[in-house]
Amino acid sequence: QVQLQESGPGLVKPSETLSLICAVSGYSISSGYYWGWIRQAPGKGLEWIGSIYHSGSTYGNPSLKSRVTLSVDTSKNQFSLKLSSVTAADTAVYYCARQGISAAPWVFGYWGQGTLVTVSS
Amino acid sequence: EIVLTQSPGTLSLSPGERATLSCRASQSVSSSNLAWYQQKPGQAPRLLIYGASSRATGIPDRFSGSGSGTDFTLTISRLEPEDFAVYYCQQYDSSPWTFGQGTKVEIK
Repeated sequence: QVQLQESGPGLVKPSETLSLICAVSGYSISSGYYWGWIRQAPGKGLEWIGSIYHSGSTYGNPSLKSRVTLSVDTSKNQFSLKLSSVTAADTAVYYCARQGISAAPWVFGYWGQGTLVTVSS
Repeated sequence: EIVLTQSPGTLSLSPGERATLSCRASQSVSSSNLAWYQQKPGQAPRLLIYGASSRATGIPDRFSGSGSGTDFTLTISRLEPEDFAVYYCQQYDSSPWTFGQGTKVEIK
């Protein structure tokens, strides 16, 4: 059973960098699939942020790409998100997810429970 | 990017009724690279449908998807109490992957 768990500060000050980690269990990141981040502002819809492969190859949403850094640590079976220069508009629940199931490599098949990050001074 | 527009915004129905949710894409989604997710309050989204019409593992057969090109539909044949939730469509045809704004299915 693939499980994902986000962790990181729940409060970040404006202009600072948001940092989150997603720990994966039940599946080795090195075995394949892309691993992604999606966010959801309060009361709003879902926005894909970016995804990373175990090799370190990344791709992301152009709307955020200049502020996003993705990394992967296969030894710890986890991957990370850094979002720089945050504003109140970045306040959201951040989800990590495995991008892919055996029959469809690009759907978000497994999700973490999400973590709320509030940007406020 | 491909913009997905879902309708209606809210669907008010009673348990046992049929729900029909629409997702329209701003350009053709090839190979039916469209998925549907269910999200309940305080929970992460759950994959229901991929490839426009294939049910994910463990999804009851009262959920069905159809459509191609720019018009897609999620149908819940008979609403159960646990089906009242928000539903999102998502295209994975071309990056950036995008989601619709959601349809809330609420109890009438």
